[in-house]
Parts: sequence; C-alpha cells; structure tokens
Amino acid sequence: LAKTTQPISMDSYEGQEVNITCSHNNIATNDYITWYQQFPSQGPRFIIQGYKTKVTNEVASLFIPADRKSSTLSLPRVSLSDTAVYYCLVGVYNQGGKLIFGQGTELSVKP
Amino acid sequence: DAGVIQSPRHEVTEMGQEVTLRCKPISGHNSLFWYRQTMMRGLELLIYFNNNVPIDDSGMPEDRFSAKMPNASFSTLKIQPSEPRDSAVYFCASSPLPPGHSSYEQYFGPGTRLTVT
Repeated sequence: LAKTTQPISMDSYEGQEVNITCSHNNIATNDYITWYQQFPSQGPRFIIQGYKTKVTNEVASLFIPADRKSSTLSLPRVSLSDTAVYYCLVGVYNQGGKLIFGQGTELSVKP
Repeated sequence: DAGVIQSPRHEVTEMGQEVTLRCKPISGHNSLFWYRQTMMRGLELLIYFNNNVPIDDSGMPEDRFSAKMPNASFSTLKIQPSEPRDSAVYFCASSPLPPGHSSYEQYFGPGTRLTVT
C-alpha cells in the first residue's frame, strides 16, 4: 500500500498560484496518481489524474517527476471558491479499486 | 445526469433505532461505494459493489452495519441498532470503471449527515 504524505494546511491569496506537493515513495508501477477536492458539506470531487510527466485540464495541472515518488498539484490563480481540502491518492490498484483517503491538505484562500 | 443521489440528506435518530440510508448511482456506472467521514477518522471506505455484487466489506465496522444493492440503480446502508458513535456523514459514490482498474475516478453524492443521540 502506497502511503501518501501531504501538508495538513496551506494558506494563499486570491490570484496566486498554489502548488500542493504529495509524497508517495512506495508507488507501484501500475499506480496512477489521483487528486480529489472536497468543499465543506460536499462529497469529494475528482479533479485530475496522471501517471507521469504533466497533465493539465481546465481545473489544474499535475506534475509528476520521472521517479514518480512525488507529485505536485498546481492551481493557477486561485479564488476564494478554491478553499477546500485536497486529497492525493495513489497505490490502490492491487486492492481492487479501493480509494484510500489520507487527511488531505486544507487550502484556505484569502482575499 | 443528476449525479449520485442520496437520501435522506439529514437524519437524526435515537440510540437503538434502525437507520437506512439510500443511494442511487449514476446510470451506467457499475461500481458503487459507501464511505463514512468523521473528523477523527477522516474518509473511510465501508463497502463497495461491482455489478451489484459486494466485493469488499472489510471496512464495515461491525455486524450492526449491512449494505445491499438489489439492482443497478439502488443501494442501501443499514445500521441496526444505531449508536452515538455512528454519527458521521455517509457518502455514496459510483464509478464507470471496474474495481482494480488503475483509473480511480469516482463520483460522490452529497452525503447523509447522521446524528445518533
């Protein structure tokens, strides 16, 4: 089981770029790296997933170095509405589809 | 699509009572998951189904908890008898991908906030 480590909390201001790094030293060859976002009083929401190098969608970018032992979620020009908890998940392929959520990173965006 | 639908959104009950939570997954999704979230323990997977069959229930805390999926469009999570420590937000999620697939995109419902007094 690949354990993930990410900062418990981060603060940012509107308009800034936010980078949240996740460590996953024991990632397996077939594992993907997935990030979820959870707003207060809502269920988690899938935001991005990648295997290596860089992935970008309309919400975020995901940077994965060659060794895949870490990944960085990048949120460009955050707004107040990006205040949420961000979860990094990896290493569940061999457990048959389980998503194992860590404690996540609580991002607070201030005006 | 309306997304994953859960009912009720809020449930307050007394200790010892039976509680039934309901979930309607997204049409066409063949995997369904039940999670529980508390401040102390975070988000925990309780059980998941694939094609209506329970695949892994190792996360179910004890025999008081049971889950069923009688068809592809409906699932229930039952707690009998309920206890105060069962108070939590219970999420249902569905996925178009079978368990074991490397891509883990799941769609979560809004959750049911359960309070047991």
